[in-house]
Amino acid sequence: NAGVTQTPKFRVLKTGQSMTLLCAQDMNHEYMYWYRQDPGMGLRLIHYSVGEGTTAKGEVPDGYNVSRLKKQNFLLGLESAAPSQTSVYFCASSYQGVSSYNSPLHFGNGTRLTVT
Amino acid sequence: GENVEQHPSTLSVQEGDSAVIKCTYSDSASNYFPWYKQELGKGPQLIIDIRSNVGEKKDQRIAVTLNKTAKHFSLHITETQPEDSAVYFCAASRYQETSYDKVIFGPGTSLSVIP
Repeated sequence: NAGVTQTPKFRVLKTGQSMTLLCAQDMNHEYMYWYRQDPGMGLRLIHYSVGEGTTAKGEVPDGYNVSRLKKQNFLLGLESAAPSQTSVYFCASSYQGVSSYNSPLHFGNGTRLTVT
Repeated sequence: GENVEQHPSTLSVQEGDSAVIKCTYSDSASNYFPWYKQELGKGPQLIIDIRSNVGEKKDQRIAVTLNKTAKHFSLHITETQPEDSAVYFCAASRYQETSYDKVIFGPGTSLSVIP
């Protein structure tokens, strides 16, 4: 029972490089999310998906792209990394909207990304 | 815009004492208030939640209270133990029919329980 799995756990990029973060969930959840966590700022939503084949922008989408080709996977891409994207990235999933009963966010263990 | 404030940012208590973390929210339409605990090197995990039609909820040593009029909600941990040491996030959410339920997180409280 893995829950939400993120790969890789750590990554160092140089400015201008690109990379993709992979998130996989085995709970058959419809909704998936990508958050970034920065000191003193809590968790901020980058992009989200309400079902296979759908994506939408969150609070801080600039510089990121996402894809949800399969229900269980949600990919986050950085096309041209910048030092401001140094952060810890968390993927999450939920059965329905968070305000629905018994539909909390389930988080992965994060990816620590450093851009030099 | 909507925001959630959380205080204190850091909190140290002696083992066995109580800990209280307070949050305020700005969106009066918020109707769901979860609390997440994040242990070192892990993702946040839901520990308790409360809905706007309830004033208080308790689960063993953890309780949450909600004052809708003042837009305040608080987490209370009694008889603290070293394993309670973690970062705690409050959040406020409101149902949106045509979109995901927007969740706004507080900045977090780092709780240290001293043995």
